[in-house]
Amino acid sequence: DVKVTQSSRYLVKRTGEKVFLECVQDMDHENMFWYRQDPGLGLRLIYFSYDVKMKEKGDIPEGYSVSREKKERFSLILESASTNQTSMYLCASLKRSEQFFGPGTRLTVL
Amino acid sequence: RKEVEQDPGPFNVPEGATVAFNCTYSNSASQSFFWYRQDCRKEPKLLMSVYSSGNEDGRFTAQLNRASQYISLLIRDSKLSDSATYLCVVNIANAGGTSYGKLTFGQGTILTVHP
Repeated sequence: DVKVTQSSRYLVKRTGEKVFLECVQDMDHENMFWYRQDPGLGLRLIYFSYDVKMKEKGDIPEGYSVSREKKERFSLILESASTNQTSMYLCASLKRSEQFFGPGTRLTVL
Repeated sequence: RKEVEQDPGPFNVPEGATVAFNCTYSNSASQSFFWYRQDCRKEPKLLMSVYSSGNEDGRFTAQLNRASQYISLLIRDSKLSDSATYLCVVNIANAGGTSYGKLTFGQGTILTVHP
């Protein structure tokens, strides 16, 4: 079974803090993705990576950066958290044409 | 215009009913098509791929019309356990013909099946 894990299920941070969201997959997948999901807007792609140290912007990269130093780990970084980044963050990895998602991190920025 | 648009829903149907969801996509470079299912407070999971000739998986039938850029999902004999949000999903190639597996999601349609 493919397993994608995320470091936290719930996270509360303050405006201006630097926030790290971690995602790990155990299936040696090359492609990994970060989304945010908001009511009425669905899932929107923030960044993705198709190999170690390779990254591409998604549809809404502003305010975020990513790091992929090892194949199994893809990190999403909020350099200076803002209240409009309160959301559900979902990580996924790709096997053939199917994306497998982690359980999500619900981030609240106060 | 959104790249993937779905019926707004929500759909509220009795057990045993047949329900159909529709979806349109705007990018003609779309290559692959899927329906994902997302249970309440859970992550999305692949329900089924959608093929040009149409395909069936038990009570679920998916159809694709490339000319109209339209995708559908039909659920027959609805069960209580079918209650979920159904996401229409499209894989779009970039100008170079690659996609890296990027997916574009519709907003989702909420289905509630009641006794």
